[in-house]
Amino acid sequence: KNEVEQSPQNLTAQEGEFITINCSYSVGISALHWLQQHPGGGIVSLFMLSSGKKKHGRLIATINIQEKHSSLHITASHPRDSAVYICAVRLGNFNKFYFGSGTKLNVKP
Amino acid sequence: NAGVTQTPKFQVLKTGQSMTLQCAQDMNHEYMSWYRQDPGMGLRLIHYSVGAGITDQGEVPNGYNVSRSTTEDFPLRLLSAAPSQTSVYFCASSQTPIRGWGSPLHFGNGTRLTVT
Repeated sequence: KNEVEQSPQNLTAQEGEFITINCSYSVGISALHWLQQHPGGGIVSLFMLSSGKKKHGRLIATINIQEKHSSLHITASHPRDSAVYICAVRLGNFNKFYFGSGTKLNVKP
Repeated sequence: NAGVTQTPKFQVLKTGQSMTLQCAQDMNHEYMSWYRQDPGMGLRLIHYSVGAGITDQGEVPNGYNVSRSTTEDFPLRLLSAAPSQTSVYFCASSQTPIRGWGSPLHFGNGTRLTVT
C-alpha cells in the first residue's frame, strides 16, 4: 500500500496547454512537497504546502487537508516543463517523508 | 554555495563488495536523509539523521549503515552489495522538520549504482 498516490503516471501535452497533476495521500501530514526531477536526474523543490495555495510563476499548487488531496497546475505549458513531478508528504511530527511514484510530463512544441 | 554534494555519480560493484556513498552539505542543515529510487516506485527512505550523532532507520534500511559524526557529512555504507541494491541513490537535507512544519528538501545529484 502506497501512502501517496499520484495521477496520471504519464502526461503528454501540447505547448500552451493547462496541466493538472494530482496527489492523494492516506495519512495525517504536517506538510506536502512538490518536487521536479529533470531528465538529467536532479531533483529540485518547487513548493512546500501545509494549507491553501501557493503560486510561483506559471506553477500553482493547492492542498485540501480535509480531502487529503493536492494539485499542481502548470499554466501555458512549455517544452522546458518536461520533467517528472513528484509529490511528497511529511508525516505528522515524524521526520519521515513518503513519496509518490511521480508523473512524467512531456510537453510537445 | 555547493548545496548537497554526492559522490560518486556512477559506481559498479560486484556482489559481496562494500562501498561508501558520500554526502556533504554546506547549508548547516540538521536533517539529512538517504533515499533509493527504483523504476515505477517513489523515492524510499533508507536512513535519516536529525543531527550529529543521531540516526534512525527509514522504510528500507536492511543492508545499509549510516553514521553522522559532523553536521556536514552523512555517508551511506553498503556492507555486502547485492543485485537488489542496484538503484539510484539520493541524499537530501533540510532544516530540521521538527521546528514548525518544515523547510524545503535539498537534493544531491544522485549516485547510479549497479551491482552485478
